[in-house]
Amino acid sequence: GAVVSQHPSWVICKSGTSVKIECRSLDFQATTMFWYRQFPKQSLMLMATSNEGSKATYEQGVEKDKFLINHASLTLSTLTVTSAHPEDSSFYICSARGMGTTSYEQYFGPGTRLTVT
Amino acid sequence: AQSVAQPEDQVNVAEGNPLTVKCTYSVSGNPYLFWYVQYPNRGLQFLLKYITGDNLVKGSYGFEAEFNKSQTSFHLKKPSALVSDSALYFCAVRDSQGTGGFKTIFGAGTRLFVKA
Repeated sequence: GAVVSQHPSWVICKSGTSVKIECRSLDFQATTMFWYRQFPKQSLMLMATSNEGSKATYEQGVEKDKFLINHASLTLSTLTVTSAHPEDSSFYICSARGMGTTSYEQYFGPGTRLTVT
Repeated sequence: AQSVAQPEDQVNVAEGNPLTVKCTYSVSGNPYLFWYVQYPNRGLQFLLKYITGDNLVKGSYGFEAEFNKSQTSFHLKKPSALVSDSALYFCAVRDSQGTGGFKTIFGAGTRLFVKA
């Protein structure tokens, strides 16, 4: 139980285009989802926290207009990187917490590697 | 503000020997503590957590961790390392009082290398 999936697992896009990453909780309802960014050989940096049906809360230094987060349902959150640049290339990981799971437990997706050329 | 420190970038151990991966933390209230493992190009896998109760917590794959409140530490241990344990390990903390907004903060990670 408590499986989180991400799609795509790997995406390459051209500079200036937008790319959408999906995060789904497969067997539980995720009231809260988190989006992290991980650079090579570095830790996870929390980008934003989203609660179903409300606007995401972005961490300091994260551009909300560039990283659009939508959490429209209890099983799906999306991260859209708009007008991507090579410096946006990174490993993006989502995590979910919600009803039916202990509130302090988070379950992580497998990650999406974004390469912007 | 809450924080997590993993003082070692890499830990090297021979297969069959005990291993320790260190973690210290700082929170305002009582901590919720976690260890995760990450394999290359993969997401994080949960190993174990401390919420309350016994200071020694047992988790997946034979790992355990000891919560030490006085030293604000939560070191990860395993009595006998396997080559397959080689991976990146993250310690994480969350403030039970919610002063950090119930956010989970991750350490920088420690790469464990187990040599056959």
